Formats: sequence, C-alpha cells, structure tokens
Amino acid sequence: QQQVKQSPQSLIVQKGGISIINCAYENTAFDYFPWYQQFPGKGPALLIAIRPDVSEKKEGRFTISFNKSAKQFSLHIMDSQPGDSATYFCAASSENSGGYQKVTFGTGTKLQVIP
Amino acid sequence: EADIYQTPRYLVIGTGKKITLECSQTMGHDKMYWYQQDPGMELHLIHYSYGVNSTEKGDLSSESTVSRIRTEHFPLTLESARPSHTSQYLCASSESPGGSGNQPQHFGDGTRLSIL
Repeated sequence: QQQVKQSPQSLIVQKGGISIINCAYENTAFDYFPWYQQFPGKGPALLIAIRPDVSEKKEGRFTISFNKSAKQFSLHIMDSQPGDSATYFCAASSENSGGYQKVTFGTGTKLQVIP
Repeated sequence: EADIYQTPRYLVIGTGKKITLECSQTMGHDKMYWYQQDPGMELHLIHYSYGVNSTEKGDLSSESTVSRIRTEHFPLTLESARPSHTSQYLCASSESPGGSGNQPQHFGDGTRLSIL
C-alpha cells in the first residue's frame, strides 16, 4: 500500500520556468514532510521540510505548499535551472511515544531542466 | 552537517560470496537505517537501529542482516549473495528528536552491488 503518492513520475521544464511536484498522503499521524534531492551516483539530500502547523515554507527558489485538510503537499522550484535536474522524493514521517520514527517515501520525480 | 560514509562504492562479486557493506557516521546519531534502491527509484527500508544493540527489520523483506555494536558503525551483511541482491544500498542516520519532533535523515552515497 503506497501511503505517499507522488506525481508526476518525470518532468521536463524550460530553464527559468516553474517546476511543480505533488504528493498526497493518507496517514493523518504524519507530522513531518521533507523533500529530498538526489543526483545520479549520490544519496538523497534534504532540500526543504515542513511541519503541518504551517501552510507554506520558502527557502530561496524552493517552496513547499502544504494543505492539511486535503492531505497534500507540493514542491515548487522557481526559476528552474539545469543544475536542478535531479530526482526529487517527497516523504512523510510520524513518531510515536516510544520514539519509533516511521518514514515513508514517495516514488520519486525525475526532473530535467532544459536550456 | 552529518557526515556518513559508505564503502565500497561499487562491488561486483560472484554468487555465493559473503558480503559486508560498511556504513559509518561521525555525528553521534542514535538512529541509523539501511535502504534498498534501484537507481532513481523509490527507497525501501530494509533495516533500522535506534541505538547500540538495537536492530529491527524494515518494511521490505531482506535476506541481509545488520549489527550495531558501536554508535557510529552499522554494517550490513549478506551471507550468500545471489543475483536477486543486485541493487543500490543506501545508509542513513538521523538525530533523536529530543522533543523537537521528527528529524531529517542524512544519507551516504550508497553502495552499488552487482552479483554475477
């Protein structure tokens, strides 16, 4: 059962355009939503993260929009650059009182920014 | 910033061999994880540890085993490698939240394993 659904699977954007990647989750216990960026031959690296008490977080050209009622969150990359070409993973995690942290990753979006 | 190291980066080996993939982190993180990932595809958790002498199996069934004798070291072992084990293996670590909620995971660059 895929608890975090990510779309699109691949995305081609012109340099300077806006890249938008969407994720939807089902488990209302999730309380932390990070996005990871992965380049070929490298491990995923944290890009930006949000907690459900805010609806938007911006860091430079990267913005997360969070809709708690719809159980959806999205990554917006403004002024997309060829160097942004990578695979992006959304994730959602929750932690119980015993300290067990459950992280579920989306299936990934391969972004290609063309000059 | 967390530093987490995996060795070897690439390994091509024959069927039946015993393999150990190394993972070390220098940040003193209590939590460590092993994921299996086909290149560019989703990550599947195969093992995790919340501290020394603590290991648990993840969501994806795996024939591998892990150990956590020291905080900084979390090796993964395959007793008898098979072609079906061919994949990329990623190690990660994270801080204990200390009341601040979930923390991000810091990943190594992975070991790409090919079993002939």
